[in-house]
Amino acid sequence: SQTIHQWPATLVQPVGSPLSLECTVEGTSNPNLYWYRQAAGRGLQLLFYSIGIDQISSEVPQNLSASRPQDRQFILSSKKLLLSDSGFYLCAWSGGSLYSNQPQHFGDGTRLSIL
Amino acid sequence: AQKITQTQPGMFVQEKEAVTLDCTYDTSDPSYGLFWYKQPSSGEMIFLIYQGSYDQQNATEGRYSLNFQKARKSANLVISASQLGDSAMYFCAMSPMDSNYQLIWGAGTKLIIKP
Repeated sequence: SQTIHQWPATLVQPVGSPLSLECTVEGTSNPNLYWYRQAAGRGLQLLFYSIGIDQISSEVPQNLSASRPQDRQFILSSKKLLLSDSGFYLCAWSGGSLYSNQPQHFGDGTRLSIL
Repeated sequence: AQKITQTQPGMFVQEKEAVTLDCTYDTSDPSYGLFWYKQPSSGEMIFLIYQGSYDQQNATEGRYSLNFQKARKSANLVISASQLGDSAMYFCAMSPMDSNYQLIWGAGTKLIIKP
């Protein structure tokens, strides 16, 4: 069966420090991969999605970037964190299909606090 | 514009009662999918149920069912015999045909089950 792993679970970082959040998927190949951010009490905001290696689309211009060095690995990064980067970050995967009737499956999330 | 609307920011329901969470959507695409997710306070996003726009029958998964009214563009989630563990945020999401693998998310409804 497919599983998704996301780490770390919590992270406290000072303003201006770099960031690297990692997500890996097991049990499937060529998944669609997603990074979301969720502010407290709010809905999900799509940050990046990827339909294949080196195929990454950005939805929101900001100081974050994403990379997919391997088929089932998705990394969210920043060179310099801002206070506004605080939030709950979720990685997700879905089966690849042109018509997306496949649900997205989520990792456990990372709670990021910027001090 | 593609949009999901969840009009109930919060709901209180007595344990063992049935509960209906509202979701309306807006799309001009003839083909789309509708999803419901549950997010407990721990943060993970759990897929509950899926309804395709051409499905003839309403989707059911255990205690969850989806009241799909295509003409009204509504996809309400019904939880039968609510349990304390059903307390969580619930999100409705849509994947239009041209969504390019993306989901459009509602703002969520916070459900609290009272003992």
